[in-house]
Amino acid sequence: EDQVTQSPEALRLQEGESSSLNCSYTVSGLRGLFWYRQDPGKGPEFLFTLYSAGEEKEKERLKATLTKKESFLHITAPKPEDSATYLCAAPSGGYQKVTFGIGTKLQVIP
Amino acid sequence: KAGVTQTPRYLIKTRGQQVTLSCSPISGHRSVSWYQQTPGQGLQFLFEYFSETQRNKGNFPGRFSGRQFSNSRSEMNVSTLELGDSALYLCASSFLGDTNEKLFFGSGTQLSVL
Repeated sequence: EDQVTQSPEALRLQEGESSSLNCSYTVSGLRGLFWYRQDPGKGPEFLFTLYSAGEEKEKERLKATLTKKESFLHITAPKPEDSATYLCAAPSGGYQKVTFGIGTKLQVIP
Repeated sequence: KAGVTQTPRYLIKTRGQQVTLSCSPISGHRSVSWYQQTPGQGLQFLFEYFSETQRNKGNFPGRFSGRQFSNSRSEMNVSTLELGDSALYLCASSFLGDTNEKLFFGSGTQLSVL
């Protein structure tokens, strides 16, 4: 069974304190690894898709990387507006069936 | 361009009732998928529709059903509601519904079953 596991479940950072979120996956025939951001009361919002080991993508203070077994979301010098739940996901079973991790709830304190 | 619209935003029902949730995808998007989100389980895939056909289904009981109309709008129905059905139900759309295509989510319908 395809699995996506995220750690930690919650992370509290001071503004400017860089850190990384982890996503490990067990998916047969990986066809991409997604990162989404979810704010309270809203649906997830797409951030990145990574396709192959060694690939990296950046957006503002976020950088996503991929290895053969896991992905990392690096947050550099975070600001309070980066506070959200970050979800990792992988397509599994065809079409739009996507397996999501439980998410990492990030809180950035001013 | 309008995003994915879900109605209603909040719903309170009692056990044994049934409920219908609605989703309007982004204009031009033909694939609509549904997810259930709970604090303990996270997002779980319910089903996906493309051109009025269900192409994929998750591991949920038959009480959960859906359909898609010719204008790509979709509805999902839950019959004989149980307490455990309380969750945020999210609809997502994409252009073709390809495996590695990014999803555009609505804000969800928060269902509470009493």
